[in-house]
Amino acid sequence: DAGVIQSPRHEVTEMGQEVTLRCKPISGHDYLFWYRQTMMRGLELLIYFNNNVPIDDSGMPEDRFSAKMPNASFSTLKIQPSEPRDSAVYFCASTTGMRSNQPQHFGDGTRLSIL
Amino acid sequence: EDKVVQSPLSLVVHEGDTVTLNCSYEVTNFRSLLWYKQEKKAPTFLFMLTSSGIEKKSGRLSSILDKKELFSILNITATQTGDSAVYLCAGLLLHGSGNTGKLIFGQGTTLQVKP
Repeated sequence: DAGVIQSPRHEVTEMGQEVTLRCKPISGHDYLFWYRQTMMRGLELLIYFNNNVPIDDSGMPEDRFSAKMPNASFSTLKIQPSEPRDSAVYFCASTTGMRSNQPQHFGDGTRLSIL
Repeated sequence: EDKVVQSPLSLVVHEGDTVTLNCSYEVTNFRSLLWYKQEKKAPTFLFMLTSSGIEKKSGRLSSILDKKELFSILNITATQTGDSAVYLCAGLLLHGSGNTGKLIFGQGTTLQVKP
């Protein structure tokens, strides 16, 4: 079975540019999560969706960050304009049901470097 | 504020040693505690603990949850160099009616196993 698929794997861009990260969750999973991981702050939840609807975006750092889930098999995380402090590894994860004791499965992440 | 605290933050042992990793949590509407192993890329799922006092085992790894004292431990016996990784614990917090929720991650414990 295909796992969570993220693209690109690596992204290097100059500050001020728009960055778009993509995620395809595991088929049949109705929850999708976006995380950011840095050495200083560890793994932080940015936003999560249930059935394509954003449920909790309290972790989104500021208005420069936006996320969409136009359908059950695709989500994007966009940063515009990007800043050097946005450099991190961004993970997408998916699961099915909160009470079904199913864990979240993570993609391999996008390593983002803003110069 | 919901938080998960892991200790120690880093640990160096030799092959064959037994290690115990600690995780304490303060999570409202707590549902479960999860352990993940992170090597180079994505966190991979190890255990989900929902009930207190029931040990879960997978090979040389085992884990248990104490919901009264709000902590969990992860034990690794007869460690091998392949166990070297960051071990993350996370509390699953449910929202509202309990059909949605999110993970709150600890900082992680970096384990290095030397030959």
